Amino acid sequence: DSGVTQTPKHLITATGQRVTLRCSPRSGDLSVYWYQQSLDQGLQFLIQYYNGEERAKGNILERFSAQQFPDLHSELNLSSLELGDSALYFCASSVGLGSIGEKLFFGSGTQLSVL
Amino acid sequence: AQRVTQPEKLLSVFKGAPVELKCNYSYSGSPELFWYVQYSRQRLQLLLRHISRESIKGFTADLNKGETSFHLKKPFAQEEDSAMYYCALKGDAGGTSYGKLTFGQGTILTVHP
Repeated sequence: DSGVTQTPKHLITATGQRVTLRCSPRSGDLSVYWYQQSLDQGLQFLIQYYNGEERAKGNILERFSAQQFPDLHSELNLSSLELGDSALYFCASSVGLGSIGEKLFFGSGTQLSVL
Repeated sequence: AQRVTQPEKLLSVFKGAPVELKCNYSYSGSPELFWYVQYSRQRLQLLLRHISRESIKGFTADLNKGETSFHLKKPFAQEEDSAMYYCALKGDAGGTSYGKLTFGQGTILTVHP
């Protein structure tokens, strides 16, 4: 168990809908990262938050947004869902900004299926 | 830009045979390299990282800066090694996101009995 908790484990929804994925980092970790794993794109970095502030952005669509709350949990909001958004979404956390030597710990992921 | 290439999408070996999963990277600074393993699309587990020079589950990997490679090796493969393996790079982004990992496309290793 990495200590990173993601809910829900599975999510099935329809095109055009909006969903929210939740991540609780390990106790004491200030950074949260979101990754998308799909069959065609592989594992892609979406976004990082550090202590409530956006720190870095990757290949995140405009239809997607995220935030990190004062208790450090994070939510990834996906809207106007398309079939191609079906993927496994991972959250990871680290104690700091993720500098050299710092480990990232991954959650079990949320499997999103858009029908 | 940072890039990680795993040239083999699939790799099959027999139990007891040596295995090498290839990883090449492109990065202008001083990267930190990792290998992650994923069993049946579950959680990504850190297998090893180059700065630790450790051996986990019999796997080793050496960073070769000249060839920009970080190949994963195991002298005698076991059936329980069957999984997806990802090579990943973390760059010294100098003030932005140090923690961003760039992953390769992954290699599915199948070890036959």
